[in-house]
Amino acid sequence: GQQLNQSPQSMFIQEGEDVSMNCTSSSIFNTWLWYKQDPGEGPVLLIALYKAGELTSNGRLTAQFGITRKDSFLNISASIPSDVGIYFCAGQAISNTGKLIFGQGTTLQVKP
Amino acid sequence: ETGVTQTPRHLVMGMTNKKSLKCEQHLGHNAMYWYKQSAKKPLELMFVYNFKEQTENNSVPSRFSPECPNSSHLFLHLHTLQPEDSALYLCASSQDLGGRSEKLFFGSGTQLSVL
Repeated sequence: GQQLNQSPQSMFIQEGEDVSMNCTSSSIFNTWLWYKQDPGEGPVLLIALYKAGELTSNGRLTAQFGITRKDSFLNISASIPSDVGIYFCAGQAISNTGKLIFGQGTTLQVKP
Repeated sequence: ETGVTQTPRHLVMGMTNKKSLKCEQHLGHNAMYWYKQSAKKPLELMFVYNFKEQTENNSVPSRFSPECPNSSHLFLHLHTLQPEDSALYLCASSQDLGGRSEKLFFGSGTQLSVL
């Protein structure tokens, strides 16, 4: 079946540092979504991407839809303590309407 | 406030109990979903409903029984669960299925513990 590999699994960084994480898939996707989950809450949508090469920003967050359509990247600039949480990528293949597949998540910890 | 409300937030049940999880969305969406989130595992899709009709059952054991009476409400009925069913159960909704309409909005989840 389709799989998403998300890396890194966890990151521990200093406040003010930039962060990068990525997801790769075994098949071509037509949608990439990035979510953040705070402890005890459900995931919240950060950025949605729908075209190969698309680069979209949301404040200090920037995400890109890879040219090969098999990967996506999320960057966080100048991290702050409230960036702490688990970041998930999610993707959907053209033929799999209703089957959004999630990565394993990247746990981010920020040291003040 | 995400527009998707789940109750209860926490549930502890024995293996012989019957309980139900409830989800309500106030976003006017047509599709609703149940996901299971276990520690150190990706979110697992369980069921998808579109306009009250089930469109996806991801090989979920029959001890989980979903019900979707209308596009705004979704239930997950639980009976004779196993300890390995302990997890966070997340409800989500989207405008429709497919493409740009399938951005999921999640509830806060029900943390389930089966003893």
